[in-house]
Amino acid sequence: AQSVAQPEDQVNVAEGNPLTVKCTYSVSGNPYLFWYVQYPNRGLQFLLKYITGDNLVKGSYGFEAEFNKSQTSFHLKKPSALVSDSALYFCAVREDTGRRALTFGSGTRLQVQP
Amino acid sequence: DARVTQTPRDKVTEMGQEVTMRCQPILGHNTVFWYRQTMMQGLELLAYFRNRAPLDDSGMPKDRFSAEMPDATLATLKIQPSEPRDSAVYFCASGLVIAGDTDTQYFGPGTRLTVL
Repeated sequence: AQSVAQPEDQVNVAEGNPLTVKCTYSVSGNPYLFWYVQYPNRGLQFLLKYITGDNLVKGSYGFEAEFNKSQTSFHLKKPSALVSDSALYFCAVREDTGRRALTFGSGTRLQVQP
Repeated sequence: DARVTQTPRDKVTEMGQEVTMRCQPILGHNTVFWYRQTMMQGLELLAYFRNRAPLDDSGMPKDRFSAEMPDATLATLKIQPSEPRDSAVYFCASGLVIAGDTDTQYFGPGTRLTVL
């Protein structure tokens, strides 16, 4: 079985400050990990993914995420937050074999204050 | 700019009525997913198809929901009869799986369904 947890319902950060949105996962095999962002009244947009290789993955809009196998985490980060980054962020996981469907976390709302 | 399209964008209907939602995946993609999003349950996978064949619909209430892909350019999700608890935003996503490679899913804008 595969699962993902986003322990924070909301993260508040001041514009210009670094941000981190946390995600931990559980899978039987090797994980494929994804981050998506959802703006109001919009579908989810792909940000980045980890499949294999370098533990630091760079994605769209200046976001990056670090895969940590020992901590089973895949935290989303950005060095300097923008007000326009305010949105709902979803972490997702699936195992590298079998069912090719993502399991999504509950989402974390990021609020960047000017 | 290829994208997934969904129709209708909004649907308000009365309990007991049939609802059909349509999705046009990105041309060339071979996987299609249907998700439902609610405040209480978050994002739930309802069904997914690969090369038009259903691979998993375990998340879908079988008694009233059905999902099909009549052809590679159209996926449908039907609810009959609809109930107020079906009110949610329904997302379609498509992706491309090539020889064991993973697929990134691209989401449509969603259909907001309200059942009165």
